[in-house]
Amino acid sequence: QKEVEQNSGPLSVPEGAIASLNCTYSDRGSQSFFWYRQYSGKSPELIMSIYSNGDKEDGRFTAQLNKASQYVSLLIRDSQPSDSATYLCAVITNTNAGKSTFGDGTTLTVKP
Amino acid sequence: GAVVSQHPSRVICKSGTSVKIECRSLDFQATTMFWYRQFPKQSLMLMATSNEGSKATYEQGVEKDKFLINHASLTLSTLTVTSAHPEDSSFYICSATRRGHSNYGYTFGSGTRLTVV
Repeated sequence: QKEVEQNSGPLSVPEGAIASLNCTYSDRGSQSFFWYRQYSGKSPELIMSIYSNGDKEDGRFTAQLNKASQYVSLLIRDSQPSDSATYLCAVITNTNAGKSTFGDGTTLTVKP
Repeated sequence: GAVVSQHPSRVICKSGTSVKIECRSLDFQATTMFWYRQFPKQSLMLMATSNEGSKATYEQGVEKDKFLINHASLTLSTLTVTSAHPEDSSFYICSATRRGHSNYGYTFGSGTRLTVV
C-alpha cells in the first residue's frame, strides 16, 4: 500500500462544475496535509494546506480533512480551463522531520 | 512570500560530462532543501534531503557519488549530476523549507530540464 494514494485520473469536468479530488494516507500519525498544483512542464506550487479536521476554504478551493478516515480532499468550485493541471496531495508525519510524502497526482481537465 | 530560484531552467549536455544545478532561497533561510526528479507523466521522486552544513541524506536507490549535493549555506544548495548519461535526462526540481516552518509546505524552484545527448 502506498503511503499517499490518489486516483490518477484523468478527471474531466465541464467549465463551471465542481471538481472533486481525493487522497488517502496510511500513517495515522500524519499531521499536515497539502495540495499542490502542477501545470505541464512546470514545478508544483502550493495551493492549500490543512491541519485539523473539517473544511478550509480559500476562494474557489476547499480542502477537507477527515483524520478518522485518513482522507483528505480538494474541491474546486466553478472550475475554469486554467485549473487544468495535475494536483498532488502531500502529507507530513511526526516522524519524518518535515519531509513530505507525495501522492502520484490526479490530472484534471476542465473542458470549456 | 518565499521565493526559490533554480538555475539553469534548461540544459543540454553531452554524455559523460557533469552538470551543476543551483537552488537558492531568495528571501528566507532554507534550513532544509529537497531534490526531486520527475520523468514525463510520472510523479515526483525524492532523491535526497539536504540540511545546511551537513551531508545530504539520499533515498534508497539514488547513487550519492553520481548525484552530488552540497548545501554550504542557508540560501544555496547545488546538485551536480556527474558523468551524465541519456537515462539521467529528466526534470530536476528543488524545494525548500525555512527554519521553524517545516510543516507549512514547500516552496519549489522552477525546475531544471536536463537533456543528455
